Amino acid sequence: DSGVTQTPKHLITATGQRVTLRCSPRSGDLSVYWYQQSLDQGLQFLIQYYNGEERAKGNILERFSAQQFPDLHSELNLSSLELGDSALYFCASSVETRSPLHFGNGTRLTVT
Amino acid sequence: GQQLNQSPQSMFIQEGEDVSMNCTSSSIFNTWLWYKQDPGEGPVLLIALYKAGELTSNGRLTAQFGITRKDSFLNISASIPSDVGIYFCAGQLRTSYDKVIFGPGTSLSVIP
Repeated sequence: DSGVTQTPKHLITATGQRVTLRCSPRSGDLSVYWYQQSLDQGLQFLIQYYNGEERAKGNILERFSAQQFPDLHSELNLSSLELGDSALYFCASSVETRSPLHFGNGTRLTVT
Repeated sequence: GQQLNQSPQSMFIQEGEDVSMNCTSSSIFNTWLWYKQDPGEGPVLLIALYKAGELTSNGRLTAQFGITRKDSFLNISASIPSDVGIYFCAGQLRTSYDKVIFGPGTSLSVIP
């Protein structure tokens, strides 16, 4: 158990809808990262937060947004969903931005 | 942007054999990380490397940080069935952004 908690574990929704994925980092970790993993694909970096502030952006679509709250949990919001957004979404956390990442077990999003 | 390449893409080996895989980049990284992902789960950190030339072991796993800082290697000795999974390398830059970039993964299958 990495200590990173992601909810929900599975999410099935229709095209055009909006969903929110939640991540609770390991106790003491200040940095949160979001990654997308499509079927048989690698991990694509979406966005990183450190202590509530956005630190880095990757290939995150404009339809997607994220935030990190004062209690350090993070949410990834996906809107106007398309079939191609179906993927595993992973959250990872680290003590600080230069420490190794520890991953949650992901949220599997299926858009129908 | 930065991109990592992993080889081989997939491997099928007999139980008991040793395994070697590598990760290369056109960019220099300050940290190399190796993760293993089992189906339906998040990647789990295996080894972290912080200095060029560093050789680090974790049980039957040994990883090295390449001298050029553009590559890293992972070896698994005496493979067992539970070694099956996808192995990802990741490079981290110690810049103001500290992004962690993942390779596409090496899929390992172990034949009992």
